[in-house]
Amino acid sequence: TQLLEQSPQFLSIQEGENLTVYCNSSSVFSSLQWYRQEPGEGPVLLVTVVTGGEVKKLKRLTFQFGDARKDSSLHITAAQPGDTGLYLCAADTSGTYKYIFGTGTRLKVLA
Amino acid sequence: NAGVTQTPKFRVLKTGQSMTLLCAQDMNHEYMYWYRQDPGMGLRLIHYSVGEGTTAKGEVPDGYNVSRLKKQNFLLGLESAAPSQTSVYFCASSSVPGQGFTDTQYFGPGTRLTVL
Repeated sequence: TQLLEQSPQFLSIQEGENLTVYCNSSSVFSSLQWYRQEPGEGPVLLVTVVTGGEVKKLKRLTFQFGDARKDSSLHITAAQPGDTGLYLCAADTSGTYKYIFGTGTRLKVLA
Repeated sequence: NAGVTQTPKFRVLKTGQSMTLLCAQDMNHEYMYWYRQDPGMGLRLIHYSVGEGTTAKGEVPDGYNVSRLKKQNFLLGLESAAPSQTSVYFCASSSVPGQGFTDTQYFGPGTRLTVL
């Protein structure tokens, strides 16, 4: 079974702080996605990255895909309580659009 | 446009009982997926379908069966429920990637299943 490791597992920070979440694997990804999931709901897609070294920005969120397409990071600038949730990475390693998910990073932003 | 809906939202079963979870999407998506989510395990793919009448095994298919008789519906069946199947089940759907669409998966709200 291929594994996607996310770190940290849990993160509790104050409003206004910056943070970075990581997603790593020993496999090369065809593409990688980041999702956010709120309690009682399904995950919602934030971004898809497909090119090694790619950087995408979504307001205060910056997503980076590693040059070798084996890892990715999500950086949040000036976190807000509305950023609270479970952040999941998902990777397609076979090009078949069958994604495996990471274990998730549970973020709590305190006001 | 309801997106992806799942029924039921909650269910409690006794060991050995059977049930079917229903997923419906109104976005005319070809691909549909069933995942389970357990604490500390992320989402794991159970079965998926790339079109009406087709199904395929995912990462953790044992103990589950699926059917895709209609394009908009994807059913997940548990023939003889076990406590290890206690989980939150999510259905998702997506367009066929590479045909001018992205591979965004749209998820339903989940079904919380407890097997006693």
